Amino acid sequence: DIVMTQTPLSLSVTPGQPASISCKSSQSLLHSDGKTYLYWYLQKPGQPPQLLIYEVSNRFSGVPDRFSGSGSGTDFTLKISRVEAEDVGVYYCMQSIQLPLFTFGPGTKVDIK
Amino acid sequence: QVQLVQSGAEVKKPGSSVKVSCKASGGTFSSYAISWVRQAPGQGLEWMGRIIPILGIANYAQKFQGRVTITADKSTSTAYMELSSLRSEDTAVYYCARVDGGPPFDYWGQGTLVTVSS
Repeated sequence: DIVMTQTPLSLSVTPGQPASISCKSSQSLLHSDGKTYLYWYLQKPGQPPQLLIYEVSNRFSGVPDRFSGSGSGTDFTLKISRVEAEDVGVYYCMQSIQLPLFTFGPGTKVDIK
Repeated sequence: QVQLVQSGAEVKKPGSSVKVSCKASGGTFSSYAISWVRQAPGQGLEWMGRIIPILGIANYAQKFQGRVTITADKSTSTAYMELSSLRSEDTAVYYCARVDGGPPFDYWGQGTLVTVSS
């Protein structure tokens, strides 16, 4: 099974400053169909997770453009250009190349300084 | 507007079973796949399994094979997750989430807390 790792596991950010989270997979997430099946979710306190980014770099509907995703193969990054108070929570990467199996990373907790 | 509404919190004894429901509205239920994801207190997200209602086919994470059963009732647009032989480590919030041909888990249920305690 594919193992997902994230660094750092926690992050404290000053509002208005950038933040970056790394996600690595134990196997390439590039499928033979040309797509890379890596996603990012944010779980705000007391809420279910919400989809932010799909297939590495595509923002989901309604997601602010301060969120961006990049990477390829096994190494991926989520960046927040200017962190806002509403961005606090736990960020998870997830892979779905091994359908029907889905695997989440351990999560990165982001809070505000 | 798609909504997934889950059943309420449960308290169960060790060794018993629990069955959580997830009722969908909006969209076409039969075209979804519904997954179940759980989150133990203070822990991360763990995918348990999924069902494709139109096919009636369920797939499970190896960790839960033999203990979890996911079913769906197309007539009521409801998916169910039953977990048996409960132990204290199964205390968690259980979420349903859908895949509908696009990015996975675009909609989530509100979560159901299952507490396993003697």
